[in-house]
Amino acid sequence: GAGVSQSPSNKVTEKGKDVELRCDPISGHTALYWYRQSLGQGLEFLIYFQGNSAPDKSGLPSDRFSAERTGGSVSTLTIQRTQQEDSAVYLCASSPNGGSNYGYTFGSGTRLTVV
Amino acid sequence: GDSVTQMEGPVTLSEEAFLTINCTYTATGYPSLFWYVQYPGEGLQLLLKATKADDKGSNKGFEATYRKETTSFHLEKGSVQVSDSAVYFCALRRRDDKIIFGKGTRLHILP
Repeated sequence: GAGVSQSPSNKVTEKGKDVELRCDPISGHTALYWYRQSLGQGLEFLIYFQGNSAPDKSGLPSDRFSAERTGGSVSTLTIQRTQQEDSAVYLCASSPNGGSNYGYTFGSGTRLTVV
Repeated sequence: GDSVTQMEGPVTLSEEAFLTINCTYTATGYPSLFWYVQYPGEGLQLLLKATKADDKGSNKGFEATYRKETTSFHLEKGSVQVSDSAVYFCALRRRDDKIIFGKGTRLHILP
């Protein structure tokens, strides 16, 4: 696609429920990243994919968080048993392969509210 | 570990004032450096980048120069506009492709 697409754009869920957030990167971009932006905070790195593998999962806050990527394209971030502190904007970004000269292209994010 | 430190905001300026937002970094090797901007209600957008020492990135009147000796990448603009009001993030990209962001600096421009 023309840009990075994230869905849903907004999600309100009850505490304890599971949620799935979807990211559709730019076609041909092999690198995909998930970040979290909490109110008044910077960007917190969650996980990074190169193709379908995740060489860096160091940012996932707990074992309630998981992510997968299939076909080198769409990625899903799953949060199990959501807690109120999970409320944030979840941002996905993609980048071409080829080294460190590229920035990312970000999606518009999914605003998650846990009530 | 690698990190990015940028000046805390909010920064409030009058229209047509000169802007500097400081950014310094700590990294192994020579990362690529970026400034991203987030306008109210919108996603992050790449503003400018520099990939090696002494490179100057520029876009929309903004500039930043990659200073290896001071490990800095300060963002500057000669004459700001109300439409520049946003949150600005300094970032570095490591050789393993991971990007590290600063905490962001909120900029308010008064008419």
